Amino acid sequence: AQKVTQAQTEISVVEKEDVTLDCVYETRDTTYYLFWYKQPPSGELVFLIRRNSFDEQNEISGRYSWNFQKSTSSFNFTITASQVVDSAVYFCALSEGRRGFQKLVFGTGTRLLVSP
Amino acid sequence: DVKVTQSSRYLVKRTGEKVFLECVQDMDHENMFWYRQDPGLGLRLIYFSYDVKMKEKGDIPEGYSVSREKKERFSLILESASTNQTSMYLCASSGGGPGTQYFGPGTRLTVL
Repeated sequence: AQKVTQAQTEISVVEKEDVTLDCVYETRDTTYYLFWYKQPPSGELVFLIRRNSFDEQNEISGRYSWNFQKSTSSFNFTITASQVVDSAVYFCALSEGRRGFQKLVFGTGTRLLVSP
Repeated sequence: DVKVTQSSRYLVKRTGEKVFLECVQDMDHENMFWYRQDPGLGLRLIYFSYDVKMKEKGDIPEGYSVSREKKERFSLILESASTNQTSMYLCASSGGGPGTQYFGPGTRLTVL
């Protein structure tokens, strides 16, 4: 069965620190997708990134970067020079399902607190 | 931009009441989903639908039903609300294939 583990329940940092959120997944599929979502205090989940299992290139978007390593089944998320607005719960998710339709399996989330 | 809306942000109901949570998306997405979110448990899938009038059970369907009469609307129904259904309910939609799911703002339901 698919599984996503986010072992860090809560992380507290001071503004401008770098922080890495860990995500480890389990799947028997050869083709799958990994996602990161952000849930700010307002409650709505905001899509951040989607990667497919054939693309192990790291990705950078502004202060955000993602490190995908199939060898360790990990898809970690790093925020550089964190800001107070980064405070949120972050969810990692893994797709599962038949071709043409995908469900998501979510981790339990990591709460990031960035203090001034 | 994808827009997913939910009928209420906050809802308070009494035990035994029938509760309807409505979700509407404006991107002509085939797939729609209902999740509940509880502290320490992440998001758990209740039901999903891949087409009008089609539905499938997710991981925790007990105590819930759904309705999808139109492509843009997906309703979650609590036939007889119970206190253990107090939770945050999130609706999402996605296009075909490995479509990214886009979420609504959530409904925080309290059952007294």
